[in-house]
Amino acid sequence: GQNIDQPTEMTATEGAIVQINCTYQTSGFNGLFWYQQHAGEAPTFLSYNVLDGLEEKGRFSSFLSRSKGYSYLLLKELQMKDSASYLCAVRSTDSWGKLQFGAGTQVVVTP
Amino acid sequence: DAGVTQSPTHLIKTRGQQVTLRCSPKSGHDTVSWYQQALGQGPQFIFQYYEEEERQRGNFPDRFSGHQFPNYSSELNVNALLLGDSALYLCASSVMDREWGTEAFFGQGTRLTVV
Repeated sequence: GQNIDQPTEMTATEGAIVQINCTYQTSGFNGLFWYQQHAGEAPTFLSYNVLDGLEEKGRFSSFLSRSKGYSYLLLKELQMKDSASYLCAVRSTDSWGKLQFGAGTQVVVTP
Repeated sequence: DAGVTQSPTHLIKTRGQQVTLRCSPKSGHDTVSWYQQALGQGPQFIFQYYEEEERQRGNFPDRFSGHQFPNYSSELNVNALLLGDSALYLCASSVMDREWGTEAFFGQGTRLTVV
């Protein structure tokens, strides 16, 4: 089975940086994904890591350590529109096309 | 490109009834996956359809069934509705032979309320 843990909520100020951690346990790791979901909307793809290291995409970066079962999503220069739920999801080798999601981290950006 | 479209957007049903939700994948996509998202939770995988067959299934009872049509659109059927089936139902489309996840797109979802 898979266990995916991430904090329930984080609050940060506009312009600041926030780091959302995700730990996972899975048999046959085959990729970790981060999605952003605004209330009442569809999840939208942010990043994908399958090898150790940092992937940078504009204001968003994602890091993976497979040996530690750990990832983080870094949001820089926070904007009010970044207030949303951020979902960590893991794919395993025996379930191509199926993602196991964490419960999501609600990020609240304050002025 | 309309992206992934789901219908209806909202639905209210009575316990014990049956419901059908519909999904049209993004143009060029041939695989449809269905997820259930309870309030405050992450999406839970229900099943995936490719070439009109169920390819993978999550931990959901047989009351949940589906179908994929030749045009790649899909339906999710839930029988004997329970109060606990109230959730946002998400459809995700992708291309089977491509890296899933980086090219998977979710629809806006159908909000099902069972009373």
